Amino acid sequence: GAVVSQHPSRVICKSGTSVKIECRSLDFQATTMFWYRQFPKQSLMLMATSNEGSKATYEQGVEKDKFLINHASLTLSTLTVTSAHPEDSSFYICSAETPPEAFFGQGTRLTVV
Amino acid sequence: KNQVEQSPQSLIILEGKNCTLQCNYTVSPFSNLRWYKQDTGRGPVSLTIMTFSENTKSNGRYTATLDADTKQSSLHITASQLSDSASYICVVSPGAGGSYIPTFGRGTSLIVHP
Repeated sequence: GAVVSQHPSRVICKSGTSVKIECRSLDFQATTMFWYRQFPKQSLMLMATSNEGSKATYEQGVEKDKFLINHASLTLSTLTVTSAHPEDSSFYICSAETPPEAFFGQGTRLTVV
Repeated sequence: KNQVEQSPQSLIILEGKNCTLQCNYTVSPFSNLRWYKQDTGRGPVSLTIMTFSENTKSNGRYTATLDADTKQSSLHITASQLSDSASYICVVSPGAGGSYIPTFGRGTSLIVHP
C-alpha cells in the first residue's frame, strides 16, 4: 500500500532554534498534504493544508510565520517550527491523500527544552 | 458545523472478547468514512474506508458498518488481541460542494487485558 514517510521521528531542540520536519509520499504523488498536531490523549488537530506549488492554507489560530510550510514537489512537504518554545512541544503528524484514501506519516515527537 | 462523535471514549476488555465502537457524524455532503488505528506515539494506520453506497467492509478481524441514512458507523473487533490496544479514530470526509478537509473524531481508547 501507499506509504508516507515522516522524518525525524523524534527531535529535541533548544528554545529559540528552528526544527524542520519532512513528509514524503514514497510511491504516489500528492498535490495536497496535511499537517496535524496532537496533544496527549487528544485527537489530531489540523494545522495547515500544504498545496504543491502554492502557499499553504493555515487553520485559524495557527501562526504561519511560526510554522513554515513548503511543498516544493509532489512528494515532499516540510514543516519548519521557527524559534521554538517549550509550548511547541507536541506530536506532529503529516498525511497525504490519494483519494479516497489518506495515509499518515509515523509522526514526529518534538521536545523543546 | 461538521462534527464526528465517537463512543465510548474508552473501553477495557479481556483478550479474546469482541467489542464494538461507535461513530456518529453530521458531515454533509458526505464522501467517505474511514477508521484508523493509532498506537501510542505513532501515526494512524488505515483499517477501512467506506463510501456512501457501502454498508459493510471487513479487514481481518475488523468489520466496519455504515448507515448513511442515520449517519452512523460502527467498528466491530472480533476475538480481540493484546495488540489491539490502541486509539481508534473515525474520520469523515466531505463530498463535492463541501470543505475538502476531513473531520476527525476524538477517538476511542481501547485497552485489551490478558
